Amino acid sequence: GQQLNQSPQSMFIQEGEDVSMNCTSSSIFNTWLWYKQDPGEGPVLLIALYKAGELTSNGRLTAQFGITRKDSFLNISASIPSDVGIYFCAGQLYPPVGYGGSQGNLIFGKGTKLSVKP
Amino acid sequence: GAVVSQHPSWVICKSGTSVKIECRSLDFQATTMFWYRQFPKQSLMLMATSNEGSKATYEQGVEKDKFLINHASLTLSTLTVTSAHPEDSSFYICSDPYGYTFGSGTRLTVV
Repeated sequence: GQQLNQSPQSMFIQEGEDVSMNCTSSSIFNTWLWYKQDPGEGPVLLIALYKAGELTSNGRLTAQFGITRKDSFLNISASIPSDVGIYFCAGQLYPPVGYGGSQGNLIFGKGTKLSVKP
Repeated sequence: GAVVSQHPSWVICKSGTSVKIECRSLDFQATTMFWYRQFPKQSLMLMATSNEGSKATYEQGVEKDKFLINHASLTLSTLTVTSAHPEDSSFYICSDPYGYTFGSGTRLTVV
């Protein structure tokens, strides 16, 4: 079945540092999504990418949809303490068609845990 | 933006009992909702897709008789864990059909 390789598994950050993580897949996806999950909460969507090569920003976050459609990366610039958490990538085969329409399943990466350097 | 309300946020139950988890879409209607299970320090695994007006679609390896999913209306989907056992203890999360909005999750502990 489809699998997503997300790296790194974990990383320590110091406030102000830039952070980078990526996901690669053996399959092509039509959509890449990046989420942040805090302990005991559901994931929160950070950025959605719908087109190969697309580069999208959301504040200090930037994500890109790889040109091969098999990979994506997420960058966080000038990290702050509240960036700590677990980040997940997810790939999806079908683009959204509006609520109520059919939708392909999301395949999730295993997550990247961001912690603060002691 | 779209909001998915999930209840309860946590529940402790005895082995052999059943637990119902609700997910409501507050400001949109959905003919499908996704249900995920997440074990500690692991990723989200899709369990099933609830379908309004028809049977749920279960992922391979998920027991239909144990995890009863019902999509009663365009704004309500429920997951009932029947005859719960300690190994069913997990974090259960629902989402809209596009992965845009997730519920806040339900921590189930079976003792």
